Amino acid sequence: DGGITQSPKYLFRKEGQNVTLSCEQNLNHDAMYWYRQDPGQGLRLIYYSQIVNDFQKGDIAEGYSVSREKKESFPLTVTSAQKNPTAFYLCASSRRDRISSGANVLTFGAGSRLTVL
Amino acid sequence: AQTVTQSQPEMSVQEAETVTLSCTYDTSESDYYLFWYKQPPSRQMILVIRQEAYKQQNATENRFSVNFQKAAKSFSLKISDSQLGDAAMYFCAYRSAGGSQGNLIFGKGTKLSVKP
Repeated sequence: DGGITQSPKYLFRKEGQNVTLSCEQNLNHDAMYWYRQDPGQGLRLIYYSQIVNDFQKGDIAEGYSVSREKKESFPLTVTSAQKNPTAFYLCASSRRDRISSGANVLTFGAGSRLTVL
Repeated sequence: AQTVTQSQPEMSVQEAETVTLSCTYDTSESDYYLFWYKQPPSRQMILVIRQEAYKQQNATENRFSVNFQKAAKSFSLKISDSQLGDAAMYFCAYRSAGGSQGNLIFGKGTKLSVKP
């Protein structure tokens, strides 16, 4: 079955540590995204990538980094510079072409919950 | 910048009844897409319904339909014959059809409870 796999589902981090959240998709989608969700808030965009080896900052990129070395993978690193990293993180992907009817629909993974101890 | 507003933090509906969730948005663009996503307790985001702004006809998916008022910048979701499985957070979202198509902008969500 095609889909998006995020791991780990739960992650605990000590202050000052960097952690990396994994996101893998087998949907053959070109574009991938990372969102952060806090209680009582909608999703906010951290980073997105439309093609391999290219990515752009979203609204809240400070303290995060990403890479896009493969089409299928878009890992997110939460660095020690992120002052309030405890949150729920969602990865998503979509097709990039603008013609097909499904082009603008984002498919989401099941999410990763990060807690800073 | 585009914004999406959901004015109802929480809503409740009796099983088998109909409920409408409100969403308004602000944009200066003429070409865009609107979505409703459902997030059940599992926290998996699931697409409920989508609407292209250039289409005047309101989208419908089984028990889910929208009332899209482009001039008023309103995009409400109607759930008919509500079921217990409809209980979830519902997010309204906007996406530009132009430019890099990078960002899906979300409202803060409406928590829907379904009473048996």
